[in-house]
Parts: sequence; C-alpha cells; structure tokens
Amino acid sequence: GDSVTQMEGPVTLSEEAFLTINCTYTATGYPSLFWYVQYPGEGLQLLLKATKADDKGSNKGFEATYRKETTSFHLEKGSVQVSDSAVYFCALISFAGGTSYGKLTFGQGTILTVHP
Amino acid sequence: GAGVSQTPSNKVTEKGKYVELRCDPISGHTALYWYRQSLGQGPEFLIYFQGTGAADDSGLPNDRFFAVRPEGSVSTLKIQRTERGDSAVYLCASSPRGQGGGYEQYFGPGTRLTVT
Repeated sequence: GDSVTQMEGPVTLSEEAFLTINCTYTATGYPSLFWYVQYPGEGLQLLLKATKADDKGSNKGFEATYRKETTSFHLEKGSVQVSDSAVYFCALISFAGGTSYGKLTFGQGTILTVHP
Repeated sequence: GAGVSQTPSNKVTEKGKYVELRCDPISGHTALYWYRQSLGQGPEFLIYFQGTGAADDSGLPNDRFFAVRPEGSVSTLKIQRTERGDSAVYLCASSPRGQGGGYEQYFGPGTRLTVT
C-alpha cells in the first residue's frame, strides 16, 4: 500500500537558518505529492504541491521538488522565521489504475520550532 | 467565505457511549472526506463521499464507525460503543471534486474526541 515517511523530529532552528525536512514515499501508480502545515491552534493548510516528476512546488519561501528516481519530496526553506513554527506533513494521492478519489496518505508529521 | 466547520470542537464521552460528530463543508464542494489523527501521528483516511454516496469507506476501522451525508452537504460521523482507543482528533475536509489529485482539500479545525 501507499506510505509516506518523514524525517524524525522535532526540528529546532534559529531564525534565518536553512531548513530541510526529508520526505520519501512508496506508492502504486503515479502519485501527486503535497506538503501540509498545521500552525498552533489552526487546521491543516495546503502549503505546496507537485503533480508530476521534476515539478517544483513553492509557496511562502518554501519549496519542494518531485524526485521520481529517489521517490522523495523534501521540503526546504532558505531562511526560516519564528512564524514558521508549526507541524509539517508530507502527503500523497495515488493514481493507481488511472483514477483517484483524492484520498490523502500522510506522513507522521515533523514539528518545527524556530527561535529568535 | 466560510471554511469547513466541525462541531463540537471537543467531546468527552464515557466508554460504551454513542457519539456523533458533524462536518459542514464549504458550500458547493461535492467531495467530503473524514480522517482521524492520533496523537503524534499524521491523519489517516476514514471515508470519502462524492455527493450523497460513500464512494470509499475502506478506512473505517470496524463496524462501530458509520458516516452519512444524506443531502450531499453536511456529514455526520457516528461511533457506537466507543472505546478508549477511539480517542483522537477527527478531521473533515472538502474539495470541489473528488476525482483527480489537482483539487485542494480544505480541512476543518477538527473534533477532539476523548473516551474515558
């Protein structure tokens, strides 16, 4: 079945540091890949997505590239801010058989804390 | 416009009791999903509705769990004979369409269920 594995957390950084959160996946078919973010006290929000190999999703200074050869979708940001402190989830939708109902499979989440 | 709303935000119940959790999706969204998020984990898929019908209920853990969406809008997740292991945050999401991975799922704030 489909699965998503994220790097172990939590991650603690100083403001303006470089961020990488690793994500690898296993999927039947040809998945679409997503990063969701959950800020303290808020619901899950889509951060960025990529729907085919070599696509780069980007938003709010974050970016991730769909790497089919390594089955990875690592999240990066060049300079984090205190306001980026949140839980980040990597997720996929699989397209086995050419159809999908949009069922998301999530990783376990990575807690990011950014200190001033 | 209004986002996905879920009620109640918190529910505490005793083991063996029956509970209902409500989801009000974004107006006009035909696809509706329920997920369950245990502490320290990513959300796990429970059930997907396209319109009034449950198109995929493969994530429901057992026959104590049931969900309905009688008019293609509001959905209710029903749990019979609750067990302590059912304690989790139950998330609802809606999307303009279910099929295809290009449609963003918009998540509600969740209902935190605690079974004592």
